[in-house]
Amino acid sequence: SQTIHQWPATLVQPVGSPLSLECTVEGTSNPNLYWYRQAAGRGLQLLFYSVGIGQISSEVPQNLSASRPQDRQFILSSKKLLLSDSGFYLCAWTGAIQETQYFGPGTRLLVL
Amino acid sequence: GEDVEQSLFLSVREGDSSVINCTYTDSSSTYLYWYKQEPGAGLQLLTYIFSNMDMKQDQRLTVLLNKKDKHLSLRIADTQTGDSAIYFCAEGNQAGTALIFGKGTTLSVSS
Repeated sequence: SQTIHQWPATLVQPVGSPLSLECTVEGTSNPNLYWYRQAAGRGLQLLFYSVGIGQISSEVPQNLSASRPQDRQFILSSKKLLLSDSGFYLCAWTGAIQETQYFGPGTRLLVL
Repeated sequence: GEDVEQSLFLSVREGDSSVINCTYTDSSSTYLYWYKQEPGAGLQLLTYIFSNMDMKQDQRLTVLLNKKDKHLSLRIADTQTGDSAIYFCAEGNQAGTALIFGKGTTLSVSS
């Protein structure tokens, strides 16, 4: 069966520090991968999606970037965090049914 | 543009039925989805409905789709305290590359 992992689960970082969040998927090949951010009291905002290795589409301008170095690995990065980057970051992958997305457990990021 | 709207809060008593409503704008989506998010956790796919269907029932869950009005609802029968969570409605975007989520409805179940 397929599983999706995210780490770390929780992260507290100072403003201006770098960021690296990792997402990996097991049990499937060539998935579409997604990064979402969920700010407190708000819905999900799609940040990036990837249809293959090295292929990244950005949905909103921001100081975050994403990379996909391997088929089942998706990384969210920042060179300098802002206070507004605080939130709950969710990784997702597309399953066999068109569009259906399955989510990881999330990473809670607090920027101080 | 593409948009999904939901009411933000719903409060019910244990044993009652809950109905969570959603409206969407893009009718090209093949499926429409309901996700559940428990506190501090990721999103769990609850159920989905094919866009050519009017209704789908899965145990205590009933999904109704009115494609003409672009209205989707989720009914939870015999609501339990364990059903307390945030429920997200979602549709596929026009490009077929991602899902568009509503802001979520917080369901609070009191005993």
